Amino acid sequence: DIQMTQSPSSVTASVGDIVTITCRASQGIGTWLAWYQHKPGEAPKLLISAASSLQSGVPSRFSGSGSGTDFTLRISSLQPGDFATYYCQQTNDFPLTFGGGTKVEI
Amino acid sequence: EVQLLESGGALVQPGGSLRLSCAASGFTFNNYAMNWVRQAPGKGLEWVSTIRGSGGTTYYADSVKGRFTISRDNSKNTLYLQLNSLRAEDTAIYFCANIDCRGGSCFPLHFDSWGQGTLVTVS
Repeated sequence: DIQMTQSPSSVTASVGDIVTITCRASQGIGTWLAWYQHKPGEAPKLLISAASSLQSGVPSRFSGSGSGTDFTLRISSLQPGDFATYYCQQTNDFPLTFGGGTKVEI
Repeated sequence: EVQLLESGGALVQPGGSLRLSCAASGFTFNNYAMNWVRQAPGKGLEWVSTIRGSGGTTYYADSVKGRFTISRDNSKNTLYLQLNSLRAEDTAIYFCANIDCRGGSCFPLHFDSWGQGTLVTVS
């Protein structure tokens, strides 16, 4: 199984800050990685697929990069609606696996 | 607009059974692989199971293999998860989600749309 490790597990930031979240895969997965945003009581939302492809409707302040085993989600100029938990997921093979999540707090 | 609406969550005793449903609309159901993902209290997301569009191929996490059964009824645009031999560690919000398989391939395996989930409590 491919293990996904996210860091940090939580980050405290302010509106306007830049936030960077990293995700490491236990083996190479090319660019087969997705990022999700999840707020309590809501459906998780797909932000980025194929490591860097922004989904339609997702603000351009979100960006993804990386390949192989190391990936990054960057949120530039954090907005009030961005306070949530973010997960990476390898989309390469079954069993599908997620990182442990990064909670972005005020 | 894609809508996924889960139902069937409940409080159940250890060893008990439950069937979850997910009603889908806003997309061509049989063109998508359907999935269950869960989130235990205070924990992260955990993939549970996937079923391809035709229903002929299924995948399970080791933690549920042999106890849970995923199925779908394409005539009703509905996904199911039968949960048997439930354990306390199965307590979670269960989300359904879809994977786009238009064009014949489901790859890459990311979850395009999600429901809001249904709560299963085993106690």
